Amino acid sequence: AQSVAQPEDQVNVAEGNPLTVKCTYSVSGNPYLFWYVQYPNRGLQFLLKYITGDNLVKGSYGFEAEFNKSQTSFHLKKPSALVSDSALYFCAVRERSDQFYFGTGTSLTVIP
Amino acid sequence: DTEVTQTPKHLVMGMTNKKSLKCEQHMGHRAMYWYKQKAKKPPELMFVYSYEKLSINESVPSRFSPECPNSSLLNLHLHALQPEDSALYLCASSPHLGLGGAGELFFGEGSRLTVL
Repeated sequence: AQSVAQPEDQVNVAEGNPLTVKCTYSVSGNPYLFWYVQYPNRGLQFLLKYITGDNLVKGSYGFEAEFNKSQTSFHLKKPSALVSDSALYFCAVRERSDQFYFGTGTSLTVIP
Repeated sequence: DTEVTQTPKHLVMGMTNKKSLKCEQHMGHRAMYWYKQKAKKPPELMFVYSYEKLSINESVPSRFSPECPNSSLLNLHLHALQPEDSALYLCASSPHLGLGGAGELFFGEGSRLTVL
C-alpha cells in the first residue's frame, strides 16, 4: 500500500531562517512524490514533484525538496523563510493509477 | 488555461434541499476528482472519474451523487445532507500516467458547503 507520513503537525521558524518540512513515504516500486501548499480558505497549490532523475527538485516560490531513497524521505526545504510562507503543507504520493495519497499536513508558521 | 473552476464558492443548504456543485477544466485532463476537506485536515478522496467513467468511489454515502457530463465538466449533486457534511469540497484534475508524465493534481479553489 502507498502512503506518506508527515511527522510534524506544526513547524515554527523565524523569518530569514531556513525551513524544513518533513515527509517520509512507503511505496512499492518507484514513487511519484508531490508537495502542495494550502492557504486559508483556498484550494491546494502544487509546489513541486519528484518523478525520476535528480534527487534535488526545485519548485515554485523558492522551494525545493530532496528525495532520499535510502531514508524513504522527501523533505521540503527553503533557504530563507518568508512570513508569507505561513500555510498548511501536504506531501502526497501517486500510485500507478489515478489515485493520490496525502499526508496529514504540516502547519508552517514563519515568525517575523 | 491551467485552471480548475468551481462554482459556487459558498453554499448554505438545509437538510432537505437539493443542490449541485460544479467543476470545469479545459486542460484536456481525463481524470477528475472530488475531495472533501475538513479544517486543517488532508483532503479525503470521494470519487475519481477516468475518461468520463466513474473509476473510484470511496464508499461515499448515496446522498452525494457525482456526474461527469463530458471531459471538461464534473458535478456533485447533493441531497438530504447532514450537518457533518459541512466542509470544503475540492475538485481536481490530472493527466493520466504516461500521458505527459506522472502529472500532478490541479485543484480548484473549492466550494465551502454549510449544511444547517
